[in-house]
Amino acid sequence: DAGVIQSPRHEVTEMGQEVTLRCKPISGHNSLFWYRQTMMRGLELLIYFNNNVPIDDSGMPEDRFSAKMPNASFSTLKIQPSEPRDSAVYFCASSTGTHGYTFGSGTRLTVV
Amino acid sequence: AQSVTQLGSHVSVSEGALVLLRCNYSSSVPPYLFWYVQYPNQGLQLLLKYTTGATLVKGINGFEAEFKKSETSFHLTKPSAHMSDAAEYFCAVSDPGFQKLVFGTGTRLLVRP
Repeated sequence: DAGVIQSPRHEVTEMGQEVTLRCKPISGHNSLFWYRQTMMRGLELLIYFNNNVPIDDSGMPEDRFSAKMPNASFSTLKIQPSEPRDSAVYFCASSTGTHGYTFGSGTRLTVV
Repeated sequence: AQSVTQLGSHVSVSEGALVLLRCNYSSSVPPYLFWYVQYPNQGLQLLLKYTTGATLVKGINGFEAEFKKSETSFHLTKPSAHMSDAAEYFCAVSDPGFQKLVFGTGTRLLVRP
């Protein structure tokens, strides 16, 4: 089991550019979550999917953020256009039942 | 809505001393409770969880936590701290539908030699 796989691990981009973060959940997990972690705001749930369907996107900060899950093995989080305040570590997690979430190693995004 | 409060953003203990990290929750339904640990530049790792049944839960690395409904608490303890325990610890709450995990703000544990 390779765990939850996120790519890239680090991303540095210029303000205004489009950024796409990727996540491959654990096979068989039916729920997928995107979190953002910053010093100021801690861990924030952005959006989560159940069986590939977005259930709650109330945490998505602005229309500049969008997330998709085209199939059970892949999800993306896109920011367009990116801004310096989007700099954070973005985590993807997957889960099934009551076994708790399994987190990926995160993508550290820096927008300059 | 569910929420978690972690008392103390930083806790410092000596190696070998008792570790106590505090967590209080708010939930309108019977909660599921979790503790996660995050080492630098890594994702979060599940330490232990309470869903139903025995209120004293044992986890990895010698940690345990006790669910106390009357106190709405789920404090994390370890009898003897080790240098490798230095990390950030997050308490989290979920409803039994397990659709959404709400995290506390975290407690950074420092272990002094």
